Amino acid sequence: DSGVTQTPKHLITATGQRVTLRCSPRSGDLSVYWYQQSLDQGLQFLIQYYNGEERAKGNILERFSAQQFPDLHSELNLSSLELGDSALYFCASSRRGSGAYNEQFFGPGTRLTVL
Amino acid sequence: GENVEQHPSTLSVQEGDSAVIKCTYSDSASNYFPWYKQELGKRPQLIIDIRSNVGEKKDQRIAVTLNKTAKHFSLHITETQPEDSAVYFCAANGISYDKVIFGPGTSLSVIP
Repeated sequence: DSGVTQTPKHLITATGQRVTLRCSPRSGDLSVYWYQQSLDQGLQFLIQYYNGEERAKGNILERFSAQQFPDLHSELNLSSLELGDSALYFCASSRRGSGAYNEQFFGPGTRLTVL
Repeated sequence: GENVEQHPSTLSVQEGDSAVIKCTYSDSASNYFPWYKQELGKRPQLIIDIRSNVGEKKDQRIAVTLNKTAKHFSLHITETQPEDSAVYFCAANGISYDKVIFGPGTSLSVIP
C-alpha cells in the first residue's frame, strides 16, 4: 500500500456525462499528479498540483480539469465523456514539487469505462 | 518537445538470464531518471532511480546506467526470476523539472 488513495475504484458511465475522480495523497506529500493509462498504453501525464497550485501541465484535454484543495486532496473532473476516455486513471503524490529523487507514489487507480 | 523513447516494447527471457531495457531522452537538461515496475493490474512502483551526476547505480539484481552525452540510460536485471515479469517504464524529468515524462513501457516476460 503506497498510502495514496483513490476513489472510486471503478466507474461506468455513458458518453456525454461528467465524472469526478478523487485522490488523497500520502501524509506529508504536497504534490499530486494525474496520469491516464489506456489499454496497452503507457502513462500519459495529465497535470500536477503542488500545495494547491497548478505546477505542470501535460496532454490534458480541455474537457478535463483538476484542482487541489487546502487539505491537499485532489479531484480530476472529466466532462463530455467520449468512448476514448475509457482508461485507468492514476493519481500519484510526492513530497516536493520538483527535483531529483522526488519519488512519486501511485494510487491504485480508477478504472473508467465509458459506454 | 520532451520525449522519452524505450526499447524493446516486449522482451522475453529465460529464467536466470539477464534483461536489458534501453531508453533515450530528448531534453539535455533532464537530471533525474526513475524506473517504475507495473505488475499486471497493479500500480506502478519505483524500483530504482539515478541522478545525472552518477553514471551507474546498483541495487541487488537491478542496475541502471546513464550516458548523458548520448542521452541514453538503461535498466539491467540479472538472474531474472518469474516475479520480474511486468511492464517496466523509464522516465526523465522535463524541461521545467516538474514533469516526469514516461517512456511507452517494456513488457518483460520471464519464462520459467
